[in-house]
Amino acid sequence: AQKVTQAQTEISVVEKEDVTLDCVYETRDTTYYLFWYKQPPSGELVFLIRRNSFDEQNEISGRYSWNFQKSTSSFNFTITASQVVDSAVYFCALSEAPTSGTYKYIFGTGTRLKVLA
Amino acid sequence: EAQVTQNPRYLITVTGKKLTVTCSQNMNHEYMSWYRQDPGLGLRQIYYSMNVEVTDKGDVPEGYKVSRKEKRNFPLILESPSPNQTSLYFCASSLGRANYEQYFGPGTRLTVT
Repeated sequence: AQKVTQAQTEISVVEKEDVTLDCVYETRDTTYYLFWYKQPPSGELVFLIRRNSFDEQNEISGRYSWNFQKSTSSFNFTITASQVVDSAVYFCALSEAPTSGTYKYIFGTGTRLKVLA
Repeated sequence: EAQVTQNPRYLITVTGKKLTVTCSQNMNHEYMSWYRQDPGLGLRQIYYSMNVEVTDKGDVPEGYKVSRKEKRNFPLILESPSPNQTSLYFCASSLGRANYEQYFGPGTRLTVT
């Protein structure tokens, strides 16, 4: 069965520190997709990145980077030089592409990041 | 503007009084979904729809109904709400395949007393 684990419930860092948010997933499918979403204090959910199971290349976007490792079933998210505006709840999510053609999304429980000035 | 809208944004109701939360998207997306968000539990999928007249259960469908009569609309129906359905609800849509990201509505905060 699908499962996404975000073991870090809450992380606090001081501004300009680097921080890594962990995401571990379980799936039986060979084709699947991983996502990160951000939920700032205002409450909306914002898409950040997706990765498919065939692409293990790490990605960097400004201060954000993502490390996908199939060997450890992890898709970790690093914020470099954190800023107060990074304070939010971050969700990791998984979807599969079964032959049935239907699919569910499974979200982790989220990690609340607090960046202190 | 491309968006997912939900109404109402806030709702306080009493046990057993039927209610509907509407969801509409203007992006011609095939896939639509409902989630509930509870502290410590993250987002859990209630129902999803691959297309018009095609719906399926997510992980927590009990006590909810949905319908997809038009591509743009995906209402969530609580026929007999109970206090354990007090939650923050999000509607989302995507282009329709597993690899596409979802666009979320602003959320509906429901309180059942």
